[in-house]
Amino acid sequence: QVTLKESGPVLVRPTETLTLTCTVSGFSLIHPTNPYTGMSWIRQPPGKALEWLGNIFSNGDKYYTTSLQRRLTISRDTSKSQVFLTLTNVDPADTATYYCARIPLYVYDSSGYHASFDLWGQGTMVTVSS
Amino acid sequence: DIVLTQTPLSLSVTPGQPASISCKSSQNLLHSDGRTYLYWSLQKPGQSPQLLIYEVSNRFSGVPSRFSGSGSGTDFTLRITRVEAEDVGVYFCMQSTHFPWTFGQGTKVEIK
Repeated sequence: QVTLKESGPVLVRPTETLTLTCTVSGFSLIHPTNPYTGMSWIRQPPGKALEWLGNIFSNGDKYYTTSLQRRLTISRDTSKSQVFLTLTNVDPADTATYYCARIPLYVYDSSGYHASFDLWGQGTMVTVSS
Repeated sequence: DIVLTQTPLSLSVTPGQPASISCKSSQNLLHSDGRTYLYWSLQKPGQSPQLLIYEVSNRFSGVPSRFSGSGSGTDFTLRITRVEAEDVGVYFCMQSTHFPWTFGQGTKVEIK
């Protein structure tokens, strides 16, 4: 069975660093035959739309939304089938449900990456508050 | 950033009746490679989002044929020919033609 599961703290204090883990099962982060796959982090603040945060691709390339580039790092441990989100200097505006999702196939060209998600985790709610 | 505006924001449908959701983009989503990276997904209550339609009109694996997508440029539509009880949830469009990738605000579909 193919699953993705997010985990991490429920509450984080302002200015602290948030680290979330996405553990996948049923597939490998490095696809054996398709090099054009990846993983993504997306979040949804309460009552607001989904916001794409960034991706890490099979080849190790990373792609971040501009607004969070200075604070966001996405990394992985392929041996543990885990993808990580690290967000520094958090603010109450970072309060959201955070999702990881799988990119089954992407296209890359001079304008960037193009893809969507075929599998999502259940999400984990993170509150930033003192 | 590209703004995707979905209408309506909520929809109450009688089972067996059709439904349609619009997603309008603030910019043309046709990429120079000839593809349009516009997707539709559904988040059922208590579940993770699931991909329904990719690149405007292609049904993802396992998606019932009652779901269809259409459109071009800046105007896109998701249609359900005959709504079933299991179709309730929040539908959202997403684009990855332009950086950063963006989502519509979602349309909540409920059954009358």
